[in-house]
Amino acid sequence: DAKTTQPPSMDCAEGRAANLPCNHSTISGNEYVYWYRQIHSQGPQYIIHGLKNNETNEMASLIITEDRKSSTLILPHATLRDTAVYYCIALVYGGATNKLIFGTGTLLAVQP
Amino acid sequence: NAGVTQTPKFRILKIGQSMTLQCTQDMNHNYMYWYRQDPGMGLKLIYYSVGAGITDKGEVPNGYNVSRSTTEDFPLRLELAAPSQTSVYFCASSYDWGSNEQFFGPGTRLTVL
Repeated sequence: DAKTTQPPSMDCAEGRAANLPCNHSTISGNEYVYWYRQIHSQGPQYIIHGLKNNETNEMASLIITEDRKSSTLILPHATLRDTAVYYCIALVYGGATNKLIFGTGTLLAVQP
Repeated sequence: NAGVTQTPKFRILKIGQSMTLQCTQDMNHNYMYWYRQDPGMGLKLIYYSVGAGITDKGEVPNGYNVSRSTTEDFPLRLELAAPSQTSVYFCASSYDWGSNEQFFGPGTRLTVL
């Protein structure tokens, strides 16, 4: 599975868009990019995933560059409840032994 | 649906004691997982199961055992607790073959003294 690199921390003003970057320069063609987040003391929560097209759901948007070497998770209108550690994970979809490998992620602090 | 539930929420063990962390899911998921998270670190996979009666080791299985007799339950057993097992333990499940959208429980905070 490809290694991902994220900044350790970021700040964002409440109500503004939060843009969280992730580098995955060694990603292979069949690896998806997954995003999870972990609010303090809670279990991780799935946010979104994508292969090469941009994706959007009720929580966030995922923008993947054309060469797939990096991506950005966008929270369009960040709230204080979005303060969490955000994990970017590159993983092949499917397969009986898929394992999510959580790094240290990006701590997003949404400021009032 | 309650989702993934874990008990207990907190536990303090003495070195050498044993305990079982319980995990139950009501989503009829085939895949279930146990992770541990040490302070300031990401999650590490301990064991996983692809269905009732089938389990396999993850990254850090030493000191733990699991069983999966039903689809709903996936208990994690610590036989001889050690201070290195002080951690937060999360159970998770996923709904289809190889899905990476995992649903996590609230965690069990374990301290071994």
